[in-house]
Formats: sequence, C-alpha cells, structure tokens
Amino acid sequence: KAGVTQTPRYLIKTRGQQVTLSCSPISGHRSVSWYQQTPGQGLQFLFEYFSETQRNKGNFPGRFSGRQFSNSRSEMNVSTLELGDSALYLCASRGFDEQYFGPGTRLTVT
Amino acid sequence: GESVGLHLPTLSVQEGDNSIINCAYSNSASDYFIWYKQESGKGPQFIIDIRSNMDKRQGQRVTVLLNKTVKHLSLQIAATQPGDSAVYFCAETPRFGNEKLTFGTGTRLTIIP
Repeated sequence: KAGVTQTPRYLIKTRGQQVTLSCSPISGHRSVSWYQQTPGQGLQFLFEYFSETQRNKGNFPGRFSGRQFSNSRSEMNVSTLELGDSALYLCASRGFDEQYFGPGTRLTVT
Repeated sequence: GESVGLHLPTLSVQEGDNSIINCAYSNSASDYFIWYKQESGKGPQFIIDIRSNMDKRQGQRVTVLLNKTVKHLSLQIAATQPGDSAVYFCAETPRFGNEKLTFGTGTRLTIIP
C-alpha cells in the first residue's frame, strides 16, 4: 500500500509569510503526527491529530497550528514565518502498529 | 526537563562487523522506546521497539537492550552492511500509542567497505 505522502516536498518562503503543508496518511490510519527536524534542535514533536481532534501538543508557539480532515489527511500551518522556522517538517501516521513517517517537506525561510 | 541523549555523534564500523549505538534517557516514567533509522532525504524508518517491562528484544539482525536502572538503551546491529549507513535515533514516550516522542540527537553510522 502507498506510504505517507507530503506535499510540497520543497518550499521557499519569506519572513512574515505563512505556509501550509499537507500530509496524506497511509490508508486506514487515523493518527497523524507532525515533527520539526533541524540540525540544532533535532526532531521535535509538534502535535498529533486523531479523528479530527488534536490529541497531543508539543512546546511550539501558537504560530504553529494544524488540523485533520474527515479522511484523515492533515495540514499544518505556520504563520508569520521566522528564519528559525527553516526545517524539515515530517508527518507520521499510525494504525495499530508502528508509526510510519513521510519523506518530509523542506521549508526554507529567507 | 525530559531529554534523550546519545553518547556518540558518529560511528564507523567495518562491513560485516557488529555495531552498537547507545542512548541515554532521563525520564524515569518513559515506558516505550523506539529506534529509528534515517537515510539521507528520507523520513525516519522504524527499526525496533521495546517496552519498559522488557530488557531485551530481537529483530532481524538487530537487538535492543534496555537498562532501566541506569536509563540506558542500546541498538546492536549484527553483520553490518553498506545499507546500514544512516543516522540512527532513539526515541521515548510515556506509553505505546502516545505520539509525543522525545528523540535523541542521532548517531551517524558509516559502514566501511
């Protein structure tokens, strides 16, 4: 079956702009989590959605938000982009077993 | 606060040898631990997991050891192959199914042909 897909794969934005990233989980998976990966901070948990509800949240400012749709697809939004938001944003989905990660969206803020 | 640390940032191993990657964690309430492998340009890939009620678990060519007394986790890879070259992360969470994972900083494993 198809894996976790993320779009777009690469994105360049300017400081102050906002961005929306999309994640399509593996078919049948209802849990979708988002992580930020940077060389300095490593992998950090952003939030998790399950059945359209945010079930868990990491320690990120309110500029980072997300949502999940009835088909389990998820989006995350970052408003008022800062240079430090440049990172690889990873989405992961889980069914009844292990968690599967997508390839990530590489966001560059200039 | 919670932290998960790795002892070595890089590790080079001869092809065919065994490799051991170590990880220390600080949260004594952690119940579920996972090892991930991340290759360049890809997302992390699940390797093996272990729950706190176990001290050893084996998979295909991999073994995870958990020492709760000293809060230490290790990943052993047997008979390393070139395809094992990647960055390896340990992660912990209070319980299975809790997706709020705390990741270690990662160890880059290089297999020398």
